[in-house]
Amino acid sequence: QKEVEQDPGPLSVPEGAIVSLNCTYSNSAFQYFMWYRQYSRKGPELLMYTYSSGNKEDGRFTAQVDKSSKYISLFIRDSQPSDSATYLCALNSGAGSYQLTFGKGTKLSVIP
Amino acid sequence: EAGVAQSPRYKIIEKRQSVAFWCNPISGHATLYWYQQILGQGPKLLIQFQNNGVVDDSQLPKDRFSAERLKGVDSTLKIQPAKLEDSAVYLCASSLGKGTAGSPLHFGNGTRLTVT
Repeated sequence: QKEVEQDPGPLSVPEGAIVSLNCTYSNSAFQYFMWYRQYSRKGPELLMYTYSSGNKEDGRFTAQVDKSSKYISLFIRDSQPSDSATYLCALNSGAGSYQLTFGKGTKLSVIP
Repeated sequence: EAGVAQSPRYKIIEKRQSVAFWCNPISGHATLYWYQQILGQGPKLLIQFQNNGVVDDSQLPKDRFSAERLKGVDSTLKIQPAKLEDSAVYLCASSLGKGTAGSPLHFGNGTRLTVT
């Protein structure tokens, strides 16, 4: 079993839809949970990060962490064509470890 | 602020040849990372520098890959000799601190390497 599992998609939704992106993980040592967005032929950029279980909201984006289920989610409300990108979850155990473990990424297309 | 600069953007080489990539991090960022991203995969850390020193190179194939960071600023990553499976995008990233959630990574746009 891989440390981080993420459905690669592709996921295609109409403009205005609510999008749900998910990752599961197996290592309970992970403490920091991040979502990166990667446009085609660009480097990843940090979108959201959370430390504990619960929800964190930033504009149209909500990050959700459920440590008991080892499950993290990113919700995008009122999706826009400009949200079309690959979304990568990234996890870190903290405690002196600086390495990020990335999921494979989910490719999202928002159709106008 | 200027972002992480990488060059070249694209490189095509034959197997067994050598290649080098260059990275200039964001000014003032002490930590520099090289990641390898194979098509359809998430980035994988190859090496992490804190100023001039190596923090983590556990996933760097040291028989063929080498990296250095001169004067704690620019960095180069070299592959010699290249193999077909080295075809990937090589991403450089930097962070102000040690790269945890409170000190996010800033990525460059990468160098796309094709080994034929």
